[in-house]
Amino acid sequence: GAGVSQTPSNKVTEKGKYVELRCDPISGHTALYWYRQSLGQGPEFLIYFQGTGAADDSGLPNDRFFAVRPEGSVSTLKIQRTERGDSAVYLCASSARPDPSYNEQFFGPGTRLTVL
Amino acid sequence: QKEVEQNSGPLSVPEGAIASLNCTYSDRGSQSFFWYRQYSGKSPELIMFIYSNGDKEDGRFTAQLNKASQYVSLLIRDSQPSDSATYLCAVSHNNAGNMLTFGGGTRLMVKP
Repeated sequence: GAGVSQTPSNKVTEKGKYVELRCDPISGHTALYWYRQSLGQGPEFLIYFQGTGAADDSGLPNDRFFAVRPEGSVSTLKIQRTERGDSAVYLCASSARPDPSYNEQFFGPGTRLTVL
Repeated sequence: QKEVEQNSGPLSVPEGAIASLNCTYSDRGSQSFFWYRQYSGKSPELIMFIYSNGDKEDGRFTAQLNKASQYVSLLIRDSQPSDSATYLCAVSHNNAGNMLTFGGGTRLMVKP
C-alpha cells in the first residue's frame, strides 16, 4: 500500500516569505506527526494530531509555525515570515494506533526547505 | 529534560561481523523504544521496536532493552555493506503526546 507522501520534495524560498508543506498520511492512520531534522541531527518533534485536533503542539518553535488537519487526513504545515534558521528537512509521520504505549510511526520522504 | 544519547560514530565493522549500536535515555517514564535506519538523503525507516525488557529478534536484527539501566541497543548480525547508514534511536513517553524523542544517530560503515 501507499506510504506517507509529502509535497513538495524541495522548497526554496526567500527570507520573509510564507510557505506551506503538505503531508498525506497512510490511509486509515489517525495519528499524524510533524518533525524537523537539521543536518547531522535526529528529527525534532513539532506537532501531533489525533484526528482533526492538534493534541500536542509543544514542539512548535514560535508562533510563525502553524499546522492544520481539517478533515483528519491530509495535514498542512504553515510557516510565516520564514527565516534562514527555518532551513531543514520537514518530516511527516503517521501511526495507526492511538495507544501511546504502542506507537510505531512511519515517515514520509520529507520536504527539504531552504530559506535564502 | 528528556534526552536520548547515541555515539555519533562512525562505527566501522567488516562485512559479516556483528554491529552493536547503543543508546541511553534519561526519562524513566519512557514507554516504547524504536530503531530507525536512515540512508543519506532519505527519511528514517522503522526497522525495530521494543516495549518490554529483554531481547527481540527480527531476522538479522536484535533489539535489547534494559529499563533499569535506561539502555537500549541494536545488534546487526552478518553485517552487509547495504547496512551502512545512520541508525536513530527513538523513545516515546506515555505522558508526552506520543511524540518520539530521537538521539543524534550513529553512523555505521560496513566495509567489504
